[in-house]
Amino acid sequence: LAKTTQPISMDSYEGQEVNITCSHNNIATNDYITWYQQFPSQGPRFIIQGYKTKVTNEVASLFIPADRKSSTLSLPRVSLSDTAVYYCLVGDKDSNYQLIWGAGTKLIIKP
Amino acid sequence: EPEVTQTPSHQVTQMGQEVILRCVPISNHLYFYWYRQILGQKVEFLVSFYNNEISEKSEIFDDQFSVERPDGSNFTLKIRSTKLEDSAMYFCASRADRVAKNIQYFGAGTRLSVL
Repeated sequence: LAKTTQPISMDSYEGQEVNITCSHNNIATNDYITWYQQFPSQGPRFIIQGYKTKVTNEVASLFIPADRKSSTLSLPRVSLSDTAVYYCLVGDKDSNYQLIWGAGTKLIIKP
Repeated sequence: EPEVTQTPSHQVTQMGQEVILRCVPISNHLYFYWYRQILGQKVEFLVSFYNNEISEKSEIFDDQFSVERPDGSNFTLKIRSTKLEDSAMYFCASRADRVAKNIQYFGAGTRLSVL
C-alpha cells in the first residue's frame, strides 16, 4: 500500500507562496498523485492531480520530480481563506477504488 | 457546478437505534463512496459501490453497516444499531469514471451524534 508523509502543520502569511511537500517513497508505476483541501466541518475538495513533472491549474501547481518519490503542492499568493488541511494521496495499486488518507498538513495563514 | 448532496446535515440518535444517512451523488457519476471522519482524526474509507454492488469495503464496514442505491439518484448508508463510537462526520463521495480514479467529489457531510 502506498503511504504518504507530510508535515503536520505549517504557518505562512497572506500574499506569500506556500509549498507543501509530500513524500511517497513506495509509489507504484500507475499511481497518480492527488491533493485535496478540507475546511473545518466540510468535505474534502479536489485541488490538483499529476503523474510527473509539473501540473498547473487556476488554484495551484504540483511539482513532481523524475523519481516520483515526492511531490510539492504550491499555492501562489495565499489568503486567509486558504487556511485548511491539505491532503496528499497516491493511488492504491491494490485497490482500484480506495483512497488512503493520511493526517494531512494543517496550513494556517496569518494576516 | 454539480455537487454531492447529503442529508441530514446533523443527526442525533440514541445508542442502539438505526440511522440512515442519505446522499445524492452527481448525476452522471458511476462510483460512489462513504467515508467517515471522527473529530480531529483522519478521513477513513468505509465502502465503495459500483454497478449496484459493493466493490470494496474496509474493516470498519462490518455487519452493522449497509449501503443501498434504492433508485437512480439516492445512495444511502445504514447503521443498524448505533454505538457511541459511531459518532463522526460521514462523507459521501462520487466519481465519474474509471480513468480519473483519484478524483472524487465529496458532499458536505452528515454529523452523526450517538448519545
